[in-house]
Amino acid sequence: GQQLNQSPQSMFIQEGEDVSMNCTSSSIFNTWLWYKQDPGEGPVLLIALYKAGELTSNGRLTAQFGITRKDSFLNISASIPSDVGIYFCAGRPFGGSQGNLIFGKGTKLSVKP
Amino acid sequence: DTGVSQDPRHKITKRGQNVTFRCDPISEHNRLYWYRQTLGQGPEFLTYFQNEAQLEKSRLLSDRFSAERPKGSFSTLEIQRTEQGDSAMYLCASTRTAYLTDTQYFGPGTRLTVL
Repeated sequence: GQQLNQSPQSMFIQEGEDVSMNCTSSSIFNTWLWYKQDPGEGPVLLIALYKAGELTSNGRLTAQFGITRKDSFLNISASIPSDVGIYFCAGRPFGGSQGNLIFGKGTKLSVKP
Repeated sequence: DTGVSQDPRHKITKRGQNVTFRCDPISEHNRLYWYRQTLGQGPEFLTYFQNEAQLEKSRLLSDRFSAERPKGSFSTLEIQRTEQGDSAMYLCASTRTAYLTDTQYFGPGTRLTVL
């Protein structure tokens, strides 16, 4: 089935650092979404992208829908402690059903000791 | 807008028992989705409803699983004869059929532990 490759799997940040993560697919996607999930909670939508090349910001977060429609990235600028959590990319493949979002395995953001 | 709610938040059961979870979507959202998430993985699609009609079911949804949305509002997910492999977080999401329908909003989830 469809899979999304999300990288890195985990990363450590120091407050104030910029963070970058990405998601790639072997096939074309119509939609890219980025979610953040805290332990024991459901994913919270951060940014939704609907057109190839689209660049969207939400506060310190910026995400882009790749031109090839096979990738997306999420950047977090000037990270703060509450950015810690797991970030998931998700998308709907071209030709996919209306219901079925495919999720990556997540990027876990932790604070450097 | 009170968000998607799920009940219970946690459920511990013994193998072989039946369990039922409830999801209340955001009001005016006519699409409702169920996902399952295991540790270290992203959510995996199980099934979705548009109003009261169940439009798609994943192969992950075995015969022991059944979902309903009788009046097109809240939904229930029942697992019969639970197995240890059913232990997971069960997530519900909703959206409104319109332009840009892929923006799914998730509830807090129900954590199921099967002993």
